[in-house]
Amino acid sequence: EPEVTQTPSHQVTQMGQEVILRCVPISNHLYFYWYRQILGQKVEFLVSFYNNEISEKSEIFDDQFSVERPDGSNFTLKIRSTKLEDSAMYFCASRKYVGNQPQHFGDGTRLSIL
Amino acid sequence: SQQGEEDPQALSIQEGENATMNCSYKTSINNLQWYRQNSGRGLVHLILIRSNEREKHSGRLRVTLDTSKKSSSLLITASRAADTASYFCATDASNTGKLIFGQGTTLQVKP
Repeated sequence: EPEVTQTPSHQVTQMGQEVILRCVPISNHLYFYWYRQILGQKVEFLVSFYNNEISEKSEIFDDQFSVERPDGSNFTLKIRSTKLEDSAMYFCASRKYVGNQPQHFGDGTRLSIL
Repeated sequence: SQQGEEDPQALSIQEGENATMNCSYKTSINNLQWYRQNSGRGLVHLILIRSNEREKHSGRLRVTLDTSKKSSSLLITASRAADTASYFCATDASNTGKLIFGQGTTLQVKP
């Protein structure tokens, strides 16, 4: 069964550095999402992406965050100047259509900011 | 906010028993979904129930939805040790498909 894949599985970065988290959504899916989960807390929506543009973003998704679909297969989340509080699990998800369809999640990237 | 709130936060049962988890939310929804998360892993979709449905079954899973009370429940029957995980409800209420997750219920099934 097709899967959403995320790399790396664990990223350790110094505070203030830029980091790029990578995702390969399921190939025929059209809608893409990033979520994050701070340790011990619930999963929080960051951003949704469709037709090569952001369709919705949360308050968390401020100017330090950006997303890109640089080619037909990858979907990336960039954090420009990382802060300690950016430490979390970051999940990518995709779905084929909007409506009554489930989202398919990757296994996540654990981001640790030192 | 349109948060899903779940109870209990933690549940410990013996293998073979049933586990019931509840979820409440605040706004009207398109659908409600349940996900499972094993420790350190991603979210696995379990079941989706549409706003016009009241009950849905999938294997040992039974989900109910009461839109008048803005609540849902997930029942896992005949639990197994392998069901040990965190379970999250998530509501889909926007036209972008974003999900709003609850706090989750941590289920431990003792062999």
